[in-house]
Amino acid sequence: GESVGLHLPTLSVQEGDNSIINCAYSNSASDYFIWYKQESGKGPQFIIDIRSNMDKRQGQRVTVLLNKTVKHLSLQIAATQPGDSAVYFCAETYTNAGKSTFGDGTTLTVKP
Amino acid sequence: DGGITQSPKYLFRKEGQNVTLSCEQNLNHDAMYWYRQDPGQGLRLIYYSQIVNDFQKGDIAEGYSVSREKKESFPLTVTSAQKNPTAFYLCASSYDADTEAFFGQGTRLTVV
Repeated sequence: GESVGLHLPTLSVQEGDNSIINCAYSNSASDYFIWYKQESGKGPQFIIDIRSNMDKRQGQRVTVLLNKTVKHLSLQIAATQPGDSAVYFCAETYTNAGKSTFGDGTTLTVKP
Repeated sequence: DGGITQSPKYLFRKEGQNVTLSCEQNLNHDAMYWYRQDPGQGLRLIYYSQIVNDFQKGDIAEGYSVSREKKESFPLTVTSAQKNPTAFYLCASSYDADTEAFFGQGTRLTVV
């Protein structure tokens, strides 16, 4: 069946360092991937997305990389700030799926 | 302001009682979703609806029911058949299944 998982459940970084959060997916038919950020007690918020016809997409301080060969997705956060502390989820879906599949989440802690 | 609203934020119920969680969106989105999140865990899909008057079971639909009589509303009923209903419930909507989801702030249900 489909599954989306994360390699590391927790990540601790120093303020100002770059962070990399990884995600593996198993459905080779997946063609749309999204990263969400969830702060404590709140609903997830969209960060960045990427479609399967791209390998890389950049936003403000964030970059998503997609490697379809090994079915791997990563989120890079540049110059990590205390406000980046949250749980990060990847999600994947495919055309006409009607729904997304979420990974388990990685907790990012930024040390001052 | 456009958005998705869940109410109430906190809800307490006695065991054996049905309870309905509200979810309203004014984003004109066709698709709506209900997720359950347990402490330290990811999101599990309960029900989803791609269009008004239609909905499908997700991965953990047992003990839950929904309706989609209006485009902007997707209420979730937690029935007495749900064995362990205490959890954080998240509602989301999206333009369609191939675009990012917008989440509400969640309802924390405690059954005593």
